[in-house]
Amino acid sequence: DSGVTQTPKHLITATGQRVTLRCSPRSGDLSVYWYQQSLDQGLQFLIQYYNGEERAKGNILERFSAQQFPDLHSELNLSSLELGDSALYFCASSVEQGPYTEAFFGQGTRLTVV
Amino acid sequence: AQSVAQPEDQVNVAEGNPLTVKCTYSVSGNPYLFWYVQYPNRGLQFLLKYITGDNLVKGSYGFEAEFNKSQTSFHLKKPSALVSDSALYFCAVRNTGGFKTIFGAGTRLFVKA
Repeated sequence: DSGVTQTPKHLITATGQRVTLRCSPRSGDLSVYWYQQSLDQGLQFLIQYYNGEERAKGNILERFSAQQFPDLHSELNLSSLELGDSALYFCASSVEQGPYTEAFFGQGTRLTVV
Repeated sequence: AQSVAQPEDQVNVAEGNPLTVKCTYSVSGNPYLFWYVQYPNRGLQFLLKYITGDNLVKGSYGFEAEFNKSQTSFHLKKPSALVSDSALYFCAVRNTGGFKTIFGAGTRLFVKA
């Protein structure tokens, strides 16, 4: 168990809908990352927050947004969902934001858009 | 731009034999290199990292990796493979001042009993 908690584990929703994925980082970790894993795109970095502030953006669509709250948990909001958004979404956390720091991953949320 | 290449989609090895999973990278500045493993229906799990210093890095579960600056490689190795090592392995890179971690496409390791 990595100590990173993601909810829900599975989510099935229809096209055009909006969902929110939640992540609780390991105790003491200030940095949260979101990744999307799909068969055709592999593991794609979406966004990183550090202590409530956005630090880096990757291949995150405009329909997607995220935030990190004062208690350090994070949410990833996906709207106007399309079939292609079906994927495994991972949250990871680390103590620091530096490039030398390894991340600890949650078990992921499997999103299926029908 | 940063990039990571894992040239093999799958590596097959017999239990007890040594294994190597290859990774090459491209990054400006000093690289920070990582290996992660993913078991079915699980998140990625950190194995080891290279920051600086000794080119041979030892990690979890008997894995090690060798950093080769001239060949821009960071191959994952284990002297004796176990069936339980069968999983998906990801190489990743960050550079100095970089906040993004770039992952390779992953290599599926299959260890046959």
